Amino acid sequence: EIVMTQSPATLSVSPGERATLSCRASQSISSNLAWYQQKPGQAPRLLIYGASTRATGIPARFSGSGSGTEFTLAISSLQSEDSAVYYCQQYNNWRPLTFGGGTKVEIK
Amino acid sequence: EVQLVESGGGLVKPGRSLRLSCTVSGFTFGDFAMSWFRQAPGKGLEWVGFIRSKAYGGTTEYAASVKGRFNISRDDSKSIAYLQMNSLKTEDTAIYYCSRAADRRVVGWFDPWGQGMLVTVSS
Repeated sequence: EIVMTQSPATLSVSPGERATLSCRASQSISSNLAWYQQKPGQAPRLLIYGASTRATGIPARFSGSGSGTEFTLAISSLQSEDSAVYYCQQYNNWRPLTFGGGTKVEIK
Repeated sequence: EVQLVESGGGLVKPGRSLRLSCTVSGFTFGDFAMSWFRQAPGKGLEWVGFIRSKAYGGTTEYAASVKGRFNISRDDSKSIAYLQMNSLKTEDTAIYYCSRAADRRVVGWFDPWGQGMLVTVSS
């Protein structure tokens, strides 16, 4: 099983500042990584797939980078509506598909 | 508009069975793989399993934690995916989400997701 590790667990950022979230895979997953945003009481929403391709309708302030085992989700200018938990998910090996534990982004 | 709506959840005793349904609209259901995920209270996301489209054999894959107890099926004529859960355990208590593979050809990333359905396993 590929283990996904996200850091930090919680990130507190002021509005307008940049937020950087990390995701590490226990073995190389090429660029087979997706990012999701989940707000309280809501279902997850796809943000990024292929490590760096924004999903339809996702604002340009969200960007993904990385390959192999190290990945980053950046939110360039944090807005209040970006307060959420963010999860990475690998799909290089679907036996099983695995998620990271999540990073909670709080607005200062 | 693409929509996925789960139904069939609720309170069930350990050892019993429950079937969730995911009714979709707004796209050609038969063209896409469908997956189920779950989220225990206050915890992260866990993949449960998926079913491929008929074009890719309609085969299924499951997480080890549910393999042999859960079964995913699909009725393309009704645009419904099912999650049959047998021999339920208290640790199966979670919100269950259905979701569509975002790409017809690749089962990898998922979009959109249903609103979720709470399943509580308790005596």
